[in-house]
Amino acid sequence: SQKIEQNSEALNIQEGKTATLTCNYTNYSPAYLQWYRQDPGRGPVFLLLIRENEKEKRKERLKVTFDTTLKQSLFHITASQPADSATYLCALDMRSNTGKLIFGQGTTLQVKP
Amino acid sequence: EAQVTQNPRYLITVTGKKLTVTCSQNMNHEYMSWYRQDPGLGLRQIYYSMNVEVTDKGDVPEGYKVSRKEKRNFPLILESPSPNQTSLYFCASKPTGTSGRSYNEQFFGPGTRLTVL
Repeated sequence: SQKIEQNSEALNIQEGKTATLTCNYTNYSPAYLQWYRQDPGRGPVFLLLIRENEKEKRKERLKVTFDTTLKQSLFHITASQPADSATYLCALDMRSNTGKLIFGQGTTLQVKP
Repeated sequence: EAQVTQNPRYLITVTGKKLTVTCSQNMNHEYMSWYRQDPGLGLRQIYYSMNVEVTDKGDVPEGYKVSRKEKRNFPLILESPSPNQTSLYFCASKPTGTSGRSYNEQFFGPGTRLTVL
């Protein structure tokens, strides 16, 4: 069956450390993988997109890797800050005409000062 | 400011009473979509629209209707709401590429929390 999984448990880290979030999928062949941030009571906000032929993408303190062999994406936040505390969603983009994104359930990150 | 707006933000209603959740975007995006978010299930697509007068079902369309008469608006209609439609609803939009395939980031509205008693 098709599945997309993120760390189900909340991730608690100390300010200044690097947070690493995982997104694994099975029986999908996404053309792109997107990461979104969602704060309580708000809609998801786009962070990064990585293509199937890209291994790594960076944006300021964020880094995303995409391994289509392992069917896994890793999302890193370096020098984490309490303001980074939120739920992070990965989404598979199948490049279909529906434009549908297949979302994981999200991982909640808590950065403690 | 470029944005997607939804109204109402919160709604409590009773079973069977028709309701409409409005969605509007000011970015001239061709593509619009509705998702529902439920604990343990994540975001699931209800309906989408590639452009004016072009709509199609997503993964969980039962009990919902949509229309796209104007490019900026994409209302979600619940003709006869039931308790299992209690959820957090998000509208989203994005531009489409010249090929018609859409792969861009999606812009989400603030959400509508619906409770059906």
